Amino acid sequence: DTAVSQTPKYLVTQMGNDKSIKCEQNLGHDTMYWYKQDSKKFLKIMFSYNNKELIINETVPNRFSPKSPDKAHLNLHINSLELGDSAVYFCASRRADRDSPLHFGNGTRLTVT
Amino acid sequence: QKEVEQDPGPLSVPEGAIVSLNCTYSNSAFQYFMWYRQYSRKGPELLMYTYSSGNKEDGRFTAQVDKSSKYISLFIRDSQPSDSATYLCALGSGGSYIPTFGRGTSLIVHP
Repeated sequence: DTAVSQTPKYLVTQMGNDKSIKCEQNLGHDTMYWYKQDSKKFLKIMFSYNNKELIINETVPNRFSPKSPDKAHLNLHINSLELGDSAVYFCASRRADRDSPLHFGNGTRLTVT
Repeated sequence: QKEVEQDPGPLSVPEGAIVSLNCTYSNSAFQYFMWYRQYSRKGPELLMYTYSSGNKEDGRFTAQVDKSSKYISLFIRDSQPSDSATYLCALGSGGSYIPTFGRGTSLIVHP
């Protein structure tokens, strides 16, 4: 009964490939996010979806695209993977009220070789 | 200057010690303050959450906010080896859906 689950847990792939990471939350939250955590542990926001609408998109290359089939899912597609994309990607969700805390998944460790 | 500064550590303490973890920030618009704990190879989990200046206690954990100094702290009493993790502060404002995270402090509690 994991609240925020993402798959796969580990992903190893070669440069130039296209890959997807899936995320599902069973908390009934309205907003979902993708974060990237680099080797120095900085958590950087990538995308946010609220009621199936992209509301924030930071300076992320357009090789990255979020896809939300419904309120409980937010998948991340990455095209033409580069070495610098290697990181841990976290999915998170929260309620609609602005100051509600984030609930994170356990991350997908992406390694691009 | 980053919006939120946090010493990455590592901070190594003996079991039973009182631990003090801190963040400073520059944006006075921040209104709510959180501490997340992240174990190795896991996602961050919410530990403490507070709106106002002053102290908030939960078991062995106390969150302290000083808005006038733009300084927040997390104290852990009677630290245990199971407290070994990275602790991230996160600050948010009413105008933003996205909290700003510090880079995290690595804590090691040795037996």
